[in-house]
Amino acid sequence: DTEVTQTPKHLVMGMTNKKSLKCEQHMGHRAMYWYKQKAKKPPELMFVYSYEKLSINESVPSRFSPECPNSSLLNLHLHALQPEDSALYLCASSQVGGGSPLHFGNGTRLTVT
Amino acid sequence: AQSVTQPDIHITVSEGASLELRCNYSYGATPYLFWYVQSPGQGLQLLLKYFSGDTLVQGIKGFEAEFKRSQSSFNLRKPSVHWSDAAEYFCAVGFGGNYGGATNKLIFGTGTLLAVQP
Repeated sequence: DTEVTQTPKHLVMGMTNKKSLKCEQHMGHRAMYWYKQKAKKPPELMFVYSYEKLSINESVPSRFSPECPNSSLLNLHLHALQPEDSALYLCASSQVGGGSPLHFGNGTRLTVT
Repeated sequence: AQSVTQPDIHITVSEGASLELRCNYSYGATPYLFWYVQSPGQGLQLLLKYFSGDTLVQGIKGFEAEFKRSQSSFNLRKPSVHWSDAAEYFCAVGFGGNYGGATNKLIFGTGTLLAVQP
């Protein structure tokens, strides 16, 4: 079983909807990540939080809004998405510091209609 | 610029045969190196990692990988493949340090899809 839990597993939303993806970990990790993965492609980094502060934003469109309310939780708020945003969204966590391996959740499969 | 190359997009092996998946990286120093495996519709599971020291590292599920600095490679091996090993395998390079808070940033290769024949 994965130690990083993502909800929901599947999400279908219209282009005018607002929805949120949630991620939770209880491993004491202080770095948390959002990745986007299109079919048959590698994961692409979107955001990194370190000690609950946003440390990396990989030029992600503003229709994606991350939030880290505490050290265990990570949210990704979605608004006015486009069909091309349909993908598997993966959350990960790690210790802070170079070389710490990332632990991934099973992802949320998002479909934008 | 840093990059990771997995030359083989798709590999098919027979069950019980040996396996080697290739990974090459481009970086000015020795990076942190990882292999992850992803089953369909699932997240990524860490197989093994290399930071420093012994260049042959052992991982879970009987996998091992060898770091070769002269070839900038970190190939994944398994002596005898099981049907349950069929999955997508990603090599990743980590660049820790001063990334807005000393947080690890991973760059993934394009992946190798492994099929196992009975």
